[in-house]
Amino acid sequence: KQEVTQIPAALSVPEGENLVLNCSFTDSAIYNLQWFRQDPGKGLTSLLLIQSSQREQTSGRLNASLDKSSGRSTLYIAASQPGDSATYLCAVLLGTGTASKLTFGTGTRLQVTL
Amino acid sequence: GAGVSQSPRYKVAKRGQDVALRCDPISGHVSLFWYQQALGQGPEFLTYFQNEAQLDKSGLPSDRFFAERPEGSVSTLKIQRTQQEDSAVYLCASSQGLAAAHLVNEQFFGPGTRLTVL
Repeated sequence: KQEVTQIPAALSVPEGENLVLNCSFTDSAIYNLQWFRQDPGKGLTSLLLIQSSQREQTSGRLNASLDKSSGRSTLYIAASQPGDSATYLCAVLLGTGTASKLTFGTGTRLQVTL
Repeated sequence: GAGVSQSPRYKVAKRGQDVALRCDPISGHVSLFWYQQALGQGPEFLTYFQNEAQLDKSGLPSDRFFAERPEGSVSTLKIQRTQQEDSAVYLCASSQGLAAAHLVNEQFFGPGTRLTVL
């Protein structure tokens, strides 16, 4: 059974700092991996999706990397801002069709302070 | 609208009541998913539809949970005889869902329905 772990569970950094969030998964046979952001009381916003054949994806100040063989992904946030404060979730997709359900980690709660 | 919508956003039920949660996916999306998110946890898969066919319901926690998507668009998650342990946020997601290699099957989520069972 696929298990997804995120470390740290919570993180507080001062504004402007660069930071890395970690995600690990037990079954390396994944189809893709998504990073999401969740604000309190809200749904999930997709940040980046990395297909299994890719090594990284970038969007603005965000960069996500994927190392399938070691079962790891990282989300790098450059020059953090208070508006980045949220819970960040990673999720893996094992396949398409009937295998297309996402398995989520428990998230990293990020607070960026002034 | 352009995104996934869910209603109601909040629902308070007395233990034993039946509830129905609605999801409107992105127009044209073939696949639809329901997830349950307990407080402080990541979402957990409940069930999956491809058009009107329910292809996977392995995550439904008990036979009190029932989901349908009769016309391959709007979906309803019904919980009968609600219990306190059913209190959670119920998230709906949709994706293009086609298996062609160039399509990424990215899932787009709605805002969720927060269910509180008293």
